[in-house]
Amino acid sequence: GQQVMQIPQYQHVQEGEDFTTYCNSSTTLSNIQWYKQRPGGHPVFLIQLVKSGEVKKQKRLTFQFGEAKKNSSLHITATQTTDVGTYFCARYNFNKFYFGSGTKLNVKP
Amino acid sequence: DTGVSQNPRHKITKRGQNVTFRCDPISEHNRLYWYRQTLGQGPEFLTYFQNEAQLEKSRLLSDRFSAERPKGSFSTLEIQRTEQGDSAMYLCASSQGRLRAGGVEKLFFGSGTQLSVL
Repeated sequence: GQQVMQIPQYQHVQEGEDFTTYCNSSTTLSNIQWYKQRPGGHPVFLIQLVKSGEVKKQKRLTFQFGEAKKNSSLHITATQTTDVGTYFCARYNFNKFYFGSGTKLNVKP
Repeated sequence: DTGVSQNPRHKITKRGQNVTFRCDPISEHNRLYWYRQTLGQGPEFLTYFQNEAQLEKSRLLSDRFSAERPKGSFSTLEIQRTEQGDSAMYLCASSQGRLRAGGVEKLFFGSGTQLSVL
């Protein structure tokens, strides 16, 4: 129903490597949001995607919304230690936000 | 600082006790949300308010949980007769709830209250 599923659950990369996390839904999404939670911190909004096939970039981060609006991805190019944290996708529906279980990224210097 | 404020930051209680948490949202935000987060999981929706009205409560939420937002500003979340399974981070978030054209409805989270039930 309202669930969005995220994979992988964990990702360990060497600094400088790329990273991708995927968010999938069994139903069509009206939008998808991405949040980042640093260790010991709270989730912080990154971006919202609305249109089919939409691609948005924020520096080294690239966000994509699938053509069928059932999946989304976040790609980080050349990771840095500041990218460490858990990345959540969330769907906003009927005034409520439903979060995936997140992908925890660890970056080894 | 005009961010979302929560207190206490940490609460340790014995099973069976009642606890109350407070959240002060961003002042111009109409909507206030309570979420629960356990280790390795995403925030789980508990309830939300539009101004002072509680518009929805998760069906998974026990009757031991109650929330109020009496004047449409701060909110409290009370858990009665706490159980060990209630141990979690309780996050409050607010959103505008009234967007200008092209605006994005997004959550601003507080730092949370970490509850440990012994």
